[in-house]
Amino acid sequence: DAGITQSPRHKVTETGTPVTLRCHQTENHRYMYWYRQDPGHGLRLIHYSYGVKDTDKGEVSDGYSVSRSKTEDFLLTLESATSSQTSVYFCAISEIGGVPDEQYFGPGTRLTVT
Amino acid sequence: RKEVEQDPGPFNVPEGATVAFNCTYSNSASQSFFWYRQDCRKEPKLLMSVYSSGNEDGRFTAQLNRASQYISLLIRDSKLSDSATYLCVPLPNNDMRFGAGTRLTVKP
Repeated sequence: DAGITQSPRHKVTETGTPVTLRCHQTENHRYMYWYRQDPGHGLRLIHYSYGVKDTDKGEVSDGYSVSRSKTEDFLLTLESATSSQTSVYFCAISEIGGVPDEQYFGPGTRLTVT
Repeated sequence: RKEVEQDPGPFNVPEGATVAFNCTYSNSASQSFFWYRQDCRKEPKLLMSVYSSGNEDGRFTAQLNRASQYISLLIRDSKLSDSATYLCVPLPNNDMRFGAGTRLTVKP
């Protein structure tokens, strides 16, 4: 299994509070992704990174920001959590990116915003 | 037409059966195709990659039909352990869009 960890694995937070999720990889892969998964929608890309300090928006980026200061870490921040951000969040990595490539996923973070 | 579409199922089949499901895509520029398996409350895991017309790995066969823009996944001799949701993703596509998945339940 690819060395990808996510923390926390579960979190319950209140509306309006900031939340940061962390993705850590030991594979030295260049590309990292944040997805959310909701029933009926499948996986939707929030943000991705193609290198240290290089990030870009995905399909559902509103309300989220990301940072990547080291190759191994990709942080997802909800500046002010809303109930619509209750979801399962998956981080993924890939080596090549840009061109069609296999992605490997972390175990996910279950976030509940009350 | 959605970027990636899958029949959500569920497909309920007995052990030993052969089952197939399709994934249709709208972006004709897609060149590579991936099937992932996702168990309940777990992360997706790569099952198969398809870079040409198809791929076979044991009981699993993926077949690509570029003219009709779909890729199929065939599972032969189904096992109880094959019960999962199967996600497809054709790449490239806008926003790395995955299909919503097809749920398979294999019953004794």
